[in-house]
Amino acid sequence: GAGVSQSPRYKVAKRGQDVALRCDPISGHVSLFWYQQALGQGPEFLTYFQNEAQLDKSGLPSDRFFAERPEGSVSTLKIQRTQQEDSAVYLCASSLQGEGEQFFGPGTRLTVL
Amino acid sequence: KQEVTQIPAALSVPEGENLVLNCSFTDSAIYNLQWFRQDPGKGLTSLLLIQSSQREQTSGRLNASLDKSSGRSTLYIAASQPGDSATYLCAVLDDKIIFGKGTRLHILP
Repeated sequence: GAGVSQSPRYKVAKRGQDVALRCDPISGHVSLFWYQQALGQGPEFLTYFQNEAQLDKSGLPSDRFFAERPEGSVSTLKIQRTQQEDSAVYLCASSLQGEGEQFFGPGTRLTVL
Repeated sequence: KQEVTQIPAALSVPEGENLVLNCSFTDSAIYNLQWFRQDPGKGLTSLLLIQSSQREQTSGRLNASLDKSSGRSTLYIAASQPGDSATYLCAVLDDKIIFGKGTRLHILP
């Protein structure tokens, strides 16, 4: 596609529910990144893929967070047993290679009640 | 640990003025530095990317400079317009990308 797309754009979950957030990167982009952005803050790194390999997951805040990119294109960020502190905008970005310019999707705004 | 600071946190200027946004980082061992724009409720739009070997990049009314040795970057916006109102984020890439908290810019018509 022309840009990075994310779905859903908005997600409301009850505390304890599992959620799955999808990212479609720009076609041909090798690298994919997930970020969490709290209100009034800059995005914070969660995890990084190069093709299907998850090279860095040091930013995932707990073992309730899991990301995958099984075929090296679309990625899913899964949050199990959501908590209120998980409420944030989750941004996905892709780049041609790890050190290149990153292009961001519109984000998924997650609200946990 | 890399830390990125943006000053000021918020800025209001009259339309037509030139302005400078500042970004500082604590570890100079970076691959690149990128400036983004974020509109309310939207994702990030890349404005300029400066590789570690470069000193500046220009795009239209925007000019970004990089001084690795002092850990500083500036984003210069010429002849500001109301449409420039947004949050501007600076990010550095070392082993991962680290963002500042942004500068909220409001251009007064």
